[in-house]
Amino acid sequence: NAGVTQTPKFQVLKTGQSMTLQCAQDMNHEYMSWYRQDPGMGLRLIHYSVGAGITDQGEVPNGYNVSRSTTEDFPLRLLSAAPSQTSVYFCASGRGGSSHEQYFGPGTRLTVT
Amino acid sequence: AQKITQTQPGMFVQEKEAVTLDCTYDTSDPSYGLFWYKQPSSGEMIFLIYQGSYDQQNATEGRYSLNFQKARKSANLVISASQLGDSAMYFCAMREGQVNAGKSTFGDGTTLTVKP
Repeated sequence: NAGVTQTPKFQVLKTGQSMTLQCAQDMNHEYMSWYRQDPGMGLRLIHYSVGAGITDQGEVPNGYNVSRSTTEDFPLRLLSAAPSQTSVYFCASGRGGSSHEQYFGPGTRLTVT
Repeated sequence: AQKITQTQPGMFVQEKEAVTLDCTYDTSDPSYGLFWYKQPSSGEMIFLIYQGSYDQQNATEGRYSLNFQKARKSANLVISASQLGDSAMYFCAMREGQVNAGKSTFGDGTTLTVKP
């Protein structure tokens, strides 16, 4: 099992550019989530999904879109990058129900200039 | 209102001693789960320990234990016999509700430095 994979590891964007951060898991997990971590702070939830075709907003969804067409993949789209979106982005996945599992990917460090 | 509060931005501990990292939480949901994660300087998030709101006993995982005081809404992490490799950022997090849906709220973390 590769676990939770994220690509790219690093990315630099100019203000106004768009891009997609990729996240994939091979553990057949029900839920997947995207978090961002700003310097010196904890993780904040952007969007999450409890299954293919089902997504919902987290605490800080503005400026981001997600979709979940398969169980394995949960891409995060930045529509028009802003310097305020400079952050480290973590994808996580886990089994639903009464499980407490949450596996994190290695993160993508995004800089918007 | 802050749902997870970690009041210690930084902590120091001598190698081989025990250390307690504080976490208080706020929720009106009777069903919730509390987590601790370690984030070393390399950046990955490492799961350490979990405590469910209905668990009768405090959770333990090797050198980690969670001091769960439900009435006080606190979930402190105790690391026994600290090692140099324990130097890292530590995050407390909470999941509300019975179903695990990937919606966790994190505190701002505590940076632990273990001195030789």
